[in-house]
Amino acid sequence: QQPVQSPQAVILREGEDAVINCSSSKALYSVHWYRQKHGEAPVFLMILLKGGEQKGHEKISASFNEKKQQSSLYLTASQLSYSGTYFCGTRGNTGFQKLVFGTGTRLLVSP
Amino acid sequence: NAGVTQTPKFQVLKTGQSMTLQCAQDMNHNSMYWYRQDPGMGLRLIYYSASEGTTDKGEVPNGYNVSRLNKREFSLRLESAAPSQTSVYFCASSNWGIGRIPFNEQFFGPGTRLTVL
Repeated sequence: QQPVQSPQAVILREGEDAVINCSSSKALYSVHWYRQKHGEAPVFLMILLKGGEQKGHEKISASFNEKKQQSSLYLTASQLSYSGTYFCGTRGNTGFQKLVFGTGTRLLVSP
Repeated sequence: NAGVTQTPKFQVLKTGQSMTLQCAQDMNHNSMYWYRQDPGMGLRLIYYSASEGTTDKGEVPNGYNVSRLNKREFSLRLESAAPSQTSVYFCASSNWGIGRIPFNEQFFGPGTRLTVL
């Protein structure tokens, strides 16, 4: 079952902050975040594991609450280049090979 | 390094026609994946190959078949195309992780935009 992302879309001015949430109904082992610019392929941002480890982007941070099966992506001091659609992907405690993606959050950063 | 390449970039088919989408990666990755992306639906996994010689169904496998030809190549076949298969198709690859990360990040190809009339 696909994780649910919120909000579906957000518009920011350059320099503002945003939070994108990802929620699953299943127990999770890890959460992955990707960004896709219009007409391009998704690009990896970060991985968060249960237990607190993470691997990824320098300027974007995220959290993972494994008890609530939720993750949040924090975009601070947004730049024009942050515009795109953000997807979370989740891995369950079984079936590690499958990454199930959410429906995406569209972010538009304007000058 | 070309990364992940896909051919063709665009394709228009008539209902009932067949075709094969090709994917190749030059990063020596073990795992490869096929996704479809439809407006408002995000990325949905069609089939994946965790390692050379294995393939498994994803969330939406009906109407598709796959072949892991070798470690580099993973093809997706539509035997009898239907309008519901109009979509953008992405191939991705990743490597096995180390320690507590079972699979590393996925690298995506540029996509194939398929229209079925």
